[in-house]
Amino acid sequence: DGGITQSPKYLFRKEGQNVTLSCEQNLNHDAMYWYRQDPGQGLRLIYYSQIVNDFQKGDIAEGYSVSREKKESFPLTVTSAQKNPTAFYLCASRGLLDEKLFFGSGTQLSVL
Amino acid sequence: AQSVTQLGSHVSVSEGALVLLRCNYSSSVPPYLFWYVQYPNQGLQLLLKYTSAATLVKGINGFEAEFKKSETSFHLTKPSAHMSDAAEYFCAVRKGGKLIFGQGTELSVKP
Repeated sequence: DGGITQSPKYLFRKEGQNVTLSCEQNLNHDAMYWYRQDPGQGLRLIYYSQIVNDFQKGDIAEGYSVSREKKESFPLTVTSAQKNPTAFYLCASRGLLDEKLFFGSGTQLSVL
Repeated sequence: AQSVTQLGSHVSVSEGALVLLRCNYSSSVPPYLFWYVQYPNQGLQLLLKYTSAATLVKGINGFEAEFKKSETSFHLTKPSAHMSDAAEYFCAVRKGGKLIFGQGTELSVKP
């Protein structure tokens, strides 16, 4: 089945540690997105990429980094510079001629 | 700047009652508007989208939304709520290559 897969489902970060969240899609979508979800704040865009080897900052990119070396993969690294990383992280993808976003099932990141 | 505002972070209805979730947008040009639904601990699913073809848009699970330019609104409705409709609902507007989401409205359905 075609879809978008996020892993792990739960992730714990120690202080000062970088962690990487995985996002893989087999929908042949060009565009991929990372959102952060906090209670009562909706979804906020961290980074997005519309083509391989290119990506743009969203509204809250500080403390995060991404790469887009392959069309199907868009990993997100939460660096030690992100002082409040506890949140639910959602990855999404979209075909460039399609308005619909397909979402993964999310990763809950918590700080130890 | 394009954005959306959802009125009411929490709405509670009885089973069988009308569901009305409010969304207002700010846009200088005709927008692309969307409603997404999120069930607990899951990603979001598209309910419906407005892309200027028709002002009344029908979506999945019996939901529909009406685009009203004069009111800059895109409210989501369903004539009769089911228990399975309990979830969080997000209004969104497309801005270039990005989708900007509202803060969400949590819908509770009482038996």
